[in-house]
Amino acid sequence: DTGVSQNPRHKITKRGQNVTFRCDPISEHNRLYWYRQTLGQGPEFLTYFQNEAQLEKSRLLSDRFSAERPKGSFSTLEIQRTEQGDSAMYLCASSIPGQGAEAFFGQGTRLTVV
Amino acid sequence: QQQVKQSPQSLIVQKGGISIINCAYENTAFDYFPWYQQFPGKGPALLIAIRPDVSEKKEGRFTISFNKSAKQFSLHIMDSQPGDSATYFCAAAAGGSQGNLIFGKGTKLSVKP
Repeated sequence: DTGVSQNPRHKITKRGQNVTFRCDPISEHNRLYWYRQTLGQGPEFLTYFQNEAQLEKSRLLSDRFSAERPKGSFSTLEIQRTEQGDSAMYLCASSIPGQGAEAFFGQGTRLTVV
Repeated sequence: QQQVKQSPQSLIVQKGGISIINCAYENTAFDYFPWYQQFPGKGPALLIAIRPDVSEKKEGRFTISFNKSAKQFSLHIMDSQPGDSATYFCAAAAGGSQGNLIFGKGTKLSVKP
């Protein structure tokens, strides 16, 4: 296991289409996070899971966004009816719980909505 | 509403010089302050982190200085190298949740040989 893995690395989609991204965390990490990063900005928190439970969602996560982590391992982030404003890098991170636990980020999925 | 303000936006430093990046925060509930380094096309990677019970933490060439009363913290990179050229983000988190991070907007550092 070499780290957090995200697929695909790049996705180009037409406006109005649905897209789904996958994140495989580091195997012993039970916390998993999704962030969105636009050009020239820092990552913005979207949501996080502890095991299979989704514990927090940002106001940034509109109704068109849904995230799952069905067995507490990998997670998917789906965006329905994509809009041009959804174009961004979607980052996944994982950590063990507790004080001082480092969040490890994947390389991200770059979404372009045309 | 930006909870973590980072400056400068960009920084050019000569090889061997000191790079200094500053961040300020408003939320006094924040209790974890990491710095991340990001290269183009890669995800952020943790450099160094500090908690408010200490005023300074050093790891190799990287030092965080923390001023709780001013609600400010800074990253110092000593003996800056061209390989340090990247975007640096400060971040903050509250309540022991190190993953629910609030990031600054980033500083693009260029170290000239």
